[in-house]
Amino acid sequence: DTAVSQTPKYLVTQMGNDKSIKCEQNLGHDTMYWYKQDSKKFLKIMFSYNNKELIINETVPNRFSPKSPDKAHLNLHINSLELGDSAVYFCASSPRGGRWYTDTQYFGPGTRLTVL
Amino acid sequence: KQEVTQIPAALSVPEGENLVLNCSFTDSAIYNLQWFRQDPGKGLTSLLLIQSSQREQTSGRLNASLDKSSGRSTLYIAASQPGDSATYLCAVRRASGTYKYIFGTGTRLKVLA
Repeated sequence: DTAVSQTPKYLVTQMGNDKSIKCEQNLGHDTMYWYKQDSKKFLKIMFSYNNKELIINETVPNRFSPKSPDKAHLNLHINSLELGDSAVYFCASSPRGGRWYTDTQYFGPGTRLTVL
Repeated sequence: KQEVTQIPAALSVPEGENLVLNCSFTDSAIYNLQWFRQDPGKGLTSLLLIQSSQREQTSGRLNASLDKSSGRSTLYIAASQPGDSATYLCAVRRASGTYKYIFGTGTRLKVLA
């Protein structure tokens, strides 16, 4: 049983294209996250949704737009892709999120995006 | 601004050794600290979560300690095995604002058979 799943696993595309990455969790969690891991393996949060409401929106170009149709899904759409967007994007979920300090995060396997 | 640093960046040890990974953070106002393991090409797996009021947590051969006042945490791995080879990341959860996790740069561990 996959807890947090992402599709696609690999994505290779040309500069200027628009692409989407999908994430689903079957854990019944309230909160979901998108993280970006760069080539130096540094992991940084981009967005977080709690029960379909955006609660964290880091300094991310507005070419990146998250969408949460329900609390089990959090998709990431990227417009006008640039070379610097190449990275591994991780989705994660946690039972409650926000100020619940006992929360553990569960990560998906990642989507490796390569922009040519 | 919270910064999280992990030293060393990479470590190779022979099988069976006990080892310590270090994590330091600049702002002691945290809710908790979490240690993760990342295997190549895979996502992160949570190993241990220490709340700000706790001093340590143990799971099997792993023991994590937290000294909030000095901004330090250590992950102790006893009797290391080749299967422990992975990148280990620590992350601190801010005690204010958006309560987001700030991740360290990771320690790449290789246990030699």
